[in-house]
Amino acid sequence: DAGVIQSPRHEVTEMGQEVTLRCKPISGHDYLFWYRQTMMRGLELLIYFNNNVPIDDSGMPEDRFSAKMPNASFSTLKIQPSEPRDSAVYFCASSLGSGLYNEQFFGPGTRLTVL
Amino acid sequence: DQQVKQNSPSLSVQEGRISILNCDYTNSMFDYFLWYKKYPAEGPTFLISISSIKDKNEDGRFTVFLNKSAKHLSLHIVPSQPGDSAVYFCAASRARFGNEKLTFGTGTRLTIIP
Repeated sequence: DAGVIQSPRHEVTEMGQEVTLRCKPISGHDYLFWYRQTMMRGLELLIYFNNNVPIDDSGMPEDRFSAKMPNASFSTLKIQPSEPRDSAVYFCASSLGSGLYNEQFFGPGTRLTVL
Repeated sequence: DQQVKQNSPSLSVQEGRISILNCDYTNSMFDYFLWYKKYPAEGPTFLISISSIKDKNEDGRFTVFLNKSAKHLSLHIVPSQPGDSAVYFCAASRARFGNEKLTFGTGTRLTIIP
């Protein structure tokens, strides 16, 4: 099993540019999560999907952030326009089902630097 | 508002000794707790979990203790090995309510000294 795949692994962009992060969850998993990791706040949940439908986007910091899941095997997180304070590591995770066994499998992350 | 807190950003322990990582939470609705381990340039991986109906769960060298009255949990690693050097995240959820969200702490970087 390939695990959760994220691309790109590193992204350097200039303030004001659009950034798109991509995620392929583990096949068969029905939940997909987007997180952001910073030193100050640790791992923050941005948004999560169940069966491709957004369930909770309360963690999305601003309207500049948007996420989509057009099918069960692909999701994107877009930042437009990007700002230096968006610099962080962004993780995608997927899980099978809900309930007590909330083991989420994380991808390797995308390190975003906004200059 | 940080509902899950890991107040020690870093910890150094001699190889072979016990490592104790601590985590506090403020939301009394949390009923399921997890520890994740993260190596550099990798995503976090699940390590061990505990339900609020228990006060201890053990898996090999790893034991998690839960003190509900104090809203505190800890992860014990014994004996500590060099491969345990990583960042450890505590996480909590409201699993009984069917809530899939995990609330994470800020992490503790554990360094095992050979």
